[in-house]
Amino acid sequence: ETGVTQTPRHLVMGMTNKKSLKCEQHLGHNAMYWYKQSAKKPLELMFVYNFKEQTENNSVPSRFSPECPNSSHLFLHLHTLQPEDSALYLCASSQDLLDRTGELFFGEGSRLTVL
Amino acid sequence: GENVEQHPSTLSVQEGDSAVIKCTYSDSASNYFPWYKQELGKRPQLIIDIRSNVGEKKDQRIAVTLNKTAKHFSLHITETQPEDSAVYFCAAREISGAGSYQLTFGKGTKLSVIP
Repeated sequence: ETGVTQTPRHLVMGMTNKKSLKCEQHLGHNAMYWYKQSAKKPLELMFVYNFKEQTENNSVPSRFSPECPNSSHLFLHLHTLQPEDSALYLCASSQDLLDRTGELFFGEGSRLTVL
Repeated sequence: GENVEQHPSTLSVQEGDSAVIKCTYSDSASNYFPWYKQELGKRPQLIIDIRSNVGEKKDQRIAVTLNKTAKHFSLHITETQPEDSAVYFCAAREISGAGSYQLTFGKGTKLSVIP
């Protein structure tokens, strides 16, 4: 498999549940990202990892907890979410931290619905 | 931080006509401006980008122009085809205080090409 793969593609959870989103990239990239995509809003950067180290946390609530065990895998752990957290969560990777190549490679996203 | 405004939010054109999408940015230090295309239910994909040292770039039916003085850039699609129907996002790269690089996205333009 090539590119950036996200699972699950769809997730419905209650506000008291705990779930995780998974992202895997087969591109040999060093940087990985989580973005939130809501209707009629810009793509919002949530977290950035470079060589497994977190470099950005854009004031994301603690109910979202990222984990990057290696440069190929990225998780987003979810707990006690709110209905307004319902959105498409996109994982992306880039060769380096956007300072040279510039291109982001996105996964197809995990559509999250919080009831 | 950077702020990117994108207009229009929706655009309908007849097949064969041209389409123009415009974006403005606020941070004069931004130096990289990509455009992403997201077809319905699919991942965003880079279609063209421009760096601040050039004023225009073309790739077949797609072109991007940049006016650094006015801080705006535009996407031009000529001879539109139904497969051009998608949401298009502009973005600008800013350099944050820690020296890291982020892409700030516009809200997107939904382009519909009518056969």
